[in-house]
Amino acid sequence: NAGVTQTPKFRILKIGQSMTLQCAQDMNHNYMYWYRQDPGMGLKLIYYSVGAGITDKGEVPNGYNVSRSTTEDFPLRLELAAPSQTSVYFCASSYSPYSNQPQHFGDGTRLSIL
Amino acid sequence: KQEVTQIPAALSVPEGENLVLNCSFTDSAIYNLQWFRQDPGKGLTSLLLIQSSQREQTSGRLNASLDKSSGRSTLYIAASQPGDSATYLCAAGGATNKLIFGTGTLLAVQP
Repeated sequence: NAGVTQTPKFRILKIGQSMTLQCAQDMNHNYMYWYRQDPGMGLKLIYYSVGAGITDKGEVPNGYNVSRSTTEDFPLRLELAAPSQTSVYFCASSYSPYSNQPQHFGDGTRLSIL
Repeated sequence: KQEVTQIPAALSVPEGENLVLNCSFTDSAIYNLQWFRQDPGKGLTSLLLIQSSQREQTSGRLNASLDKSSGRSTLYIAASQPGDSATYLCAAGGATNKLIFGTGTLLAVQP
């Protein structure tokens, strides 16, 4: 029972490099989310998707892009890495807000940009 | 704009004590209120979800209440154990289940 799987778990990038954080879920959830968590802070929503082909911005979308070509996968792309993007990134998925079911989270990707 | 605040930021209690964690939110137009547990270096584990039409939810030694009119939720932990030590996060759920998180309460239960 995999749930939400994030890869990689750790990554160090140089300023200006690009990378894609992968997220996959096997629960057939329509809704998927990307959050970032800075030290000592709560999570902030970057982007979310309510189904394949549909994405929208959250609170802190600048510097990131997403796509949702399948129900299972929701990758997050950093095009030009900046030190301010050093953070822990969490992917989550859920059924609709009317389902009385919580969001399920992956274990996170710890990203450092030097 | 929804803002979520958690008090206290940190709490240390001896084993066996009952304790209350507080969460407040500024916009009462929420779909749900969710409580999560986060262990160091790990992801979030859902503890309780209270729909906007509900007043409380219980799971084992945990009880969460919701008062939308005052913008408050509390998480009550009975008979605390060292294994309860973690960071507890509350989050207000809006349309499309987007969550606005508080900054968490770091709980340490001393044996």
